[in-house]
Amino acid sequence: SYELTQPPSVSVSPGQTASITCSGDKLGDKYACWYQQKPGQSPLLVIYQDSKRPSGVPERFSGSNSGNTATLTISGTQAMDEADYYCQAWDINTEVFGGGTKLTVL
Amino acid sequence: EVQLVESGGGLVKPGGSLRLSCEVSGFTFSNAWMTWVRQAPGKGLEWVGRIKSTADGGAINYAAPVKGRFTISRDDSKNTLYVQMNSLKTEDTAVYYCTTAAESGHLSDWGQGTLVTVSS
Repeated sequence: SYELTQPPSVSVSPGQTASITCSGDKLGDKYACWYQQKPGQSPLLVIYQDSKRPSGVPERFSGSNSGNTATLTISGTQAMDEADYYCQAWDINTEVFGGGTKLTVL
Repeated sequence: EVQLVESGGGLVKPGGSLRLSCEVSGFTFSNAWMTWVRQAPGKGLEWVGRIKSTADGGAINYAAPVKGRFTISRDDSKNTLYVQMNSLKTEDTAVYYCTTAAESGHLSDWGQGTLVTVSS
């Protein structure tokens, strides 16, 4: 079965750039998307089709996908961005999620 | 405003059954592909299954851990998505979310979730 691998945790200082990776076999051949989940809340789509932002998502969120790795980049990270982030891709009639990355802003 | 409201969660014994519902508003449900996603306490997201719109054939796909035990269905006249869960196991304990699903795979809109606890 297809698997997506994320680092368990990433730390960033306020105002700096955070990068969260998601690795999977030939992931660049699929569409990747990203969700943000804060404690006690439902997930929120922040990037879809590799690099598109839904309406209402701040411009500091961006995405890329090539080769075996998709990357979520948060520029000028703010304290409010502290959350769990999940990547996701579609593979042969199955949605696959990465294990999630806890982003700490300190 | 798009709204998805899940209901039907609760405590059930191993081997028992439960049916979850997801009532939607704010968009044309009959045209929408829908999914169920679950999240065990303190764990990550896990896809449960997807149903295409009736117009697109209504095909249903399931994740391996639930295939043969869970059944996803929809009632377009009631704007409601369902999942019938049978032969429940303790590892099915989770918050269950319903979501809208795009053909490219991303899940745009999420409900607030309903908690299912499987315990004796």
